[in-house]
Amino acid sequence: SQQGEEDPQALSIQEGENATMNCSYKTSINNLQWYRQNSGRGLVHLILIRSNEREKHSGRLRVTLDTSKKSSSLLITASRAADTASYFCATGGQGSGYALNFGKGTSLLVTP
Amino acid sequence: SQTIHQWPATLVQPVGSPLSLECTVEGTSNPNLYWYRQAAGRGLQLLFYSVGIGQISSEVPQNLSASRPQDRQFILSSKKLLLSDSGFYLCAWSVGGGEDEQYFGPGTRLTVT
Repeated sequence: SQQGEEDPQALSIQEGENATMNCSYKTSINNLQWYRQNSGRGLVHLILIRSNEREKHSGRLRVTLDTSKKSSSLLITASRAADTASYFCATGGQGSGYALNFGKGTSLLVTP
Repeated sequence: SQTIHQWPATLVQPVGSPLSLECTVEGTSNPNLYWYRQAAGRGLQLLFYSVGIGQISSEVPQNLSASRPQDRQFILSSKKLLLSDSGFYLCAWSVGGGEDEQYFGPGTRLTVT
């Protein structure tokens, strides 16, 4: 079942701008992950943040987690055309026990 | 290094025909394996997962089935396809459970006509 809900559904920005995507979820989690999917391809793992962490960085990516609000955000700084993709949040450790629950994703378009 | 393969990449099948999609993982032992389906413009829906040979857990009732005949082989099957089975099928593996990241294959685009 889908638990994460990304916002906005679609985002269009120009190269060099920052892109912020949000994710809300409903139940307690052990971790939250962000994935990227280029059109017609498989998903690529970007970053995992555990429930006892508040912020995590990886290159141009910054992820925050607020467990009290059951929300997370993904910030991509200095975006590039190559960042054009769909971005999904996924929560793990609950429900199925082994599987991730994915949201519907945010479609990001970065124009040159 | 670990790699995950899926085939075929694309498939067009008529309603009522059988289905067999295969996924294999290299470079790791005893992985957890997953089958997801992604409908157009939607997120991923978990279909099956397996924590070991012969162990299959189903997440949603449907006319699909899964099998794990070998440690690193995961097969998705159907005896009779429905139009609603069209979608993008993704196989994934992980070392641990929901605590760990998952690694996805390239996917199979299935169109049922």
